[in-house]
Amino acid sequence: ILNVEQSPQSLHVQEGDSTNFTCSFPSSNFYALHWYRWETAKSPEALFVMTLNGDEKKKGRISATLNTKEGYSYLYIKGSQPEDSATYLCAPYNQGGKLIFGQGTELSVKP
Amino acid sequence: GAGVSQSPSNKVTEKGKDVELRCDPISGHTALYWYRQSLGQGLEFLIYFQGNSAPDKSGLPSDRFSAERTGGSVSTLTIQRTQQEDSAVYLCASSLAHRGTAFFGQGTRLTVV
Repeated sequence: ILNVEQSPQSLHVQEGDSTNFTCSFPSSNFYALHWYRWETAKSPEALFVMTLNGDEKKKGRISATLNTKEGYSYLYIKGSQPEDSATYLCAPYNQGGKLIFGQGTELSVKP
Repeated sequence: GAGVSQSPSNKVTEKGKDVELRCDPISGHTALYWYRQSLGQGLEFLIYFQGNSAPDKSGLPSDRFSAERTGGSVSTLTIQRTQQEDSAVYLCASSLAHRGTAFFGQGTRLTVV
């Protein structure tokens, strides 16, 4: 089982604030990193799949970067909106591995 | 189907009874995962099926838990002699290939009373 750590565990911001959180994972035998967004009463949905060191992905106001050598990824949200409130999960794959999720960062955006 | 389907959506059972949870993955998806989320916890990996390979059962919490996948499609998670600590949301996900993007079902909320 991969040791995946996400920080912070929870985050409370005001509408319009920009924010970021971290996913740390073992850098050995890295294959890919997934980010998922999980809204209350819904199922997790994929945001990004990242594979290469230095990868940057963007979807609207949300972006992510990847450092496979040091084993971390950052997720950024620019100008947070209440609808961004959700738990953000990362899940690395290693060689021959399965999809193991971190504990998540719970984001709450107040209007 | 259009998405991953799980049934039932809610299940209340008495302690000591057996339960079966069903997952119908997206057609053609070779990988299938079961997870659970207990109150206040993250997504806990339970079991992983990939094609015809032997399943990875490393996340099953006890021998009361078992799962099978018939014909490479529908999967059933069985919990025998349920305990109150088994109460959780059980989520199933499938992906097109090994290590592909996972698509999740709506989950089964299990309550053991």
